[in-house]
Amino acid sequence: GENVEQHPSTLSVQEGDSAVIKCTYSDSASNYFPWYKQELGKRPQLIIDIRSNVGEKKDQRIAVTLNKTAKHFSLHITETQPEDSAVYFCAAVRVGTYKYIFGTGTRLKVLA
Amino acid sequence: EPEVTQTPSHQVTQMGQEVILRCVPISNHLYFYWYRQILGQKVEFLVSFYNNEISEKSEIFDDQFSVERPDGSNFTLKIRSTKLEDSAMYFCASNRLSSYSGNTIYFGEGSWLTVV
Repeated sequence: GENVEQHPSTLSVQEGDSAVIKCTYSDSASNYFPWYKQELGKRPQLIIDIRSNVGEKKDQRIAVTLNKTAKHFSLHITETQPEDSAVYFCAAVRVGTYKYIFGTGTRLKVLA
Repeated sequence: EPEVTQTPSHQVTQMGQEVILRCVPISNHLYFYWYRQILGQKVEFLVSFYNNEISEKSEIFDDQFSVERPDGSNFTLKIRSTKLEDSAMYFCASNRLSSYSGNTIYFGEGSWLTVV
């Protein structure tokens, strides 16, 4: 069935360092890959997304890369700040469906 | 910026009781969703709704669950006879175009359901 694996489950970095979170999806028909940031007790909020016809997308300190052949996509956060601390979820969306398949989440802690 | 709003923010209910969770999607959105998140776990799809009918549902969305758009603004999730394992945060979401075409969905703040 459809599945999205996400690693690592927890990640601690020093302020100013980079953080990388990786996801692997199983459904080769997936064509849309959003990343959400969720602070404790809050709603997931979209931070960046990428479509399958693009290999990389960047928005200031955040970038996402997609390798369709390997069915991998990754979130890169540079120059991390304490306010980046949150749980990050990746998701994959299959063409022709309405449901997002979420990864298991990564708890990112940025240490000041 | 318009937001998806949900009520109640937190509800405690006895096992076996019926619960209705309410959502007001963003006004020009046409596609509506319910997701749930058990504490500490990932967000899981329950159901999508378009044009007054269910578009897709997951295996979690069994006969105990139903959705309705009773008027032009509200979108509700009903759990007929709650079980302990229904305790979770329930997120409503909406978007203007379907996620079929890859457009993002916008989540509400969630309704935290505790079944005791």
